[in-house]
Amino acid sequence: KAGVTQTPRYLIKTRGQQVTLSCSPISGHRSVSWYQQTPGQGLQFLFEYFSETQRNKGNFPGRFSGRQFSNSRSEMNVSTLELGDSALYLCASSLTSGGYNEQFFGPGTRLTVL
Amino acid sequence: SQKIEQNSEALNIQEGKTATLTCNYTNYSPAYLQWYRQDPGRGPVFLLLIRENEKEKRKERLKVTFDTTLKQSLFHITASQPADSATYLCALAALSGGSYIPTFGRGTSLIVHP
Repeated sequence: KAGVTQTPRYLIKTRGQQVTLSCSPISGHRSVSWYQQTPGQGLQFLFEYFSETQRNKGNFPGRFSGRQFSNSRSEMNVSTLELGDSALYLCASSLTSGGYNEQFFGPGTRLTVL
Repeated sequence: SQKIEQNSEALNIQEGKTATLTCNYTNYSPAYLQWYRQDPGRGPVFLLLIRENEKEKRKERLKVTFDTTLKQSLFHITASQPADSATYLCALAALSGGSYIPTFGRGTSLIVHP
């Protein structure tokens, strides 16, 4: 079974631009969560989608948004990029939402904002 | 405020010894706790989950304990090997908006010397 895939793996943008990252979950998984990982803050929860609905949202500004498609693939968008948005963005899929679910992480997208 | 603390200093041990990593938390009532392994440049990999009503969980050379009175989890790797060298993250999951949202510690780096 193929794992979680994320595209692109690396991205360089400049301040003020916007970016869209993509995540394909493991086949059959309906929940996709997004995380931001930085050396200073560690791994922080952005949001979770299940069956095309946002189930939970972390403490991030409205510039961070996401969506999920009917095939469970998910995208996250960051508008008006700031230098502090430079991070590794990870998505994780699980069978269902909530509960005692094992999350399977993708390799991440390394975003650098110049 | 809520805090999850993992030792920021790397743990250096000799091959064959038992590695013990600590995860302490404050102002949380977690329903469960997870441990993940993360290698450089890769997403975290799930290792073990332990529920609030469980004291101990084992999987091969891994053992996790969960003491809700002390607000602490210990993660043990017995007969450690150089291949166990990685960063280990603990994640607490508390109920939020009908879902369990994991909050991650910053991780402890384990270095196993041959």
